[in-house]
Amino acid sequence: KNEVEQSPQNLTAQEGEFITINCSYSVGISALHWLQQHPGGGIVSLFMLSSGKKKHGRLIATINIQEKHSSLHITASHPRDSAVYICAVRGTSGSRLTFGEGTQLTVNP
Amino acid sequence: DAGVIQSPRHEVTEMGQEVTLRCKPISGHNSLFWYRQTMMRGLELLIYFNNNVPIDDSGMPEDRFSAKMPNASFSTLKIQPSEPRDSAVYFCASSFKASTLHNEQFFGPGTRLTVL
Repeated sequence: KNEVEQSPQNLTAQEGEFITINCSYSVGISALHWLQQHPGGGIVSLFMLSSGKKKHGRLIATINIQEKHSSLHITASHPRDSAVYICAVRGTSGSRLTFGEGTQLTVNP
Repeated sequence: DAGVIQSPRHEVTEMGQEVTLRCKPISGHNSLFWYRQTMMRGLELLIYFNNNVPIDDSGMPEDRFSAKMPNASFSTLKIQPSEPRDSAVYFCASSFKASTLHNEQFFGPGTRLTVL
């Protein structure tokens, strides 16, 4: 069993739909990251959070430390949101990140 | 700010050759990370440095891989000799770490390595 598991692996949505991507982890963490990898390969950090909720534009990330679970929500999805979304957790010691396998999101117009 | 700079962006080499990947972190950042991404294994941390000192190299696959950070603005990842299974995209990332506070990591554009 992977330390970080994401679901779904693939997600196809219509423009405007509300999207949720889930991340579960099995180890104690000091922080959780959500990353976005564009079709061209570039990786962008979306959020880093250790509790509660963060919002940036149409993106919302939540984390429940007790349940070892995080969600990434996209409101009013747009084709330009199409990318791979990767969850990564940082352990309680050091800076090492452990990555989930990613969720491939495709938003159709 | 130019962000994290990696070179080359693409490298094609023959099995057995030495490959050197380069990274310039964001100015002021004191942590540097080397990652490898493949279809089979996804993103994996190879090694990371804090204040130019290697902290965790447990992700380095084998002795053929070595990484150095001679100063705060430059790091190299070397593969010698290279093998076809080393073909991957290699990302460098940097962040600022102060005491127990970790800032987010900023990724470079990656180096796509193909070993024939």
